[in-house]
Amino acid sequence: EIVLTQSPGTLSLSPGERATLSCRASQSVTSNYLAWYQQKPGQAPRLLIYGASSRATGIPDRFTGSGSGTDFTLSISRLEPEDFAVYYCQQYSSSPQTFGQGTKVEIK
Amino acid sequence: QVQLVQSGAEVKKPGSSVKVSCKASRGTFDIYTISWVRQAPGQGLEWMGRIIPIVNRGNYAPRFQGRVTITADKSTNTAYMELSNLVSEDTAVYFCARTYGAFDYWGQGTLVTVSS
Repeated sequence: EIVLTQSPGTLSLSPGERATLSCRASQSVTSNYLAWYQQKPGQAPRLLIYGASSRATGIPDRFTGSGSGTDFTLSISRLEPEDFAVYYCQQYSSSPQTFGQGTKVEIK
Repeated sequence: QVQLVQSGAEVKKPGSSVKVSCKASRGTFDIYTISWVRQAPGQGLEWMGRIIPIVNRGNYAPRFQGRVTITADKSTNTAYMELSNLVSEDTAVYFCARTYGAFDYWGQGTLVTVSS
C-alpha cells in the first residue's frame, strides 16, 4: 500500500498570500496518477487536480499541481477567502487507492 | 448535469449491517466506475472499494475485505455499498464518487451512526 504523507498539517496564511502544500509518497506513483481535493466543512470533497498537474473542469488557474514520482505539490498562487479549507492528495495508481491525511489551510 | 444522490442517514446497532445507495445520472455506468469513500468524524478520507458496473466487478480495500459488498443495478443506475458486522468505529459519513481515475463527482454523503 502506498502511504501518502502531507505537510504541513496546518498552514496559517492571509488572503492574497501564496500557499504551497506538499504530498510525499512512500513509493513511486506510476503514471503520475495523483489527485488533489478540496473539502469544506459539511461538504463532499471537490476534485481540483488530476494526473498530478491537470486542472479539473471549472477550477481556477490560481491552483497548480506539480511533481512526479514520490514528491508532489499543490500551489495556490493568491489565496481567496473561499480557498480556506482542507486539502487532500490521493494516489490512484495502485490498489488500494490511498489518501493523505490532509492539510488545513486556515486564515491567519 | 452529473448527479450522484445518496440515501439518507442511518442509525444502526453494533453487529448489524447497513446498505447505502447512490443513484447516478443516466449513462454514468456506461463509462465510469463508482467508488466508495468514508470519513469518520473529524478524520480524513478512506477508500473502501469500487464497482465497475459494465462488468459488475468490484474490488475492495484489504481492511474492508469480507465485510463490504459493493454492487450496481444498471437498470436503475444505482450503486450500493453494504457494510456488515458494524462496530462503533464504523460511524462515519460514507460518500460515493464517480471514478475515471480520479474522483470527479461526489454524492452528498450519508451519515451512518453505529450505537447501542
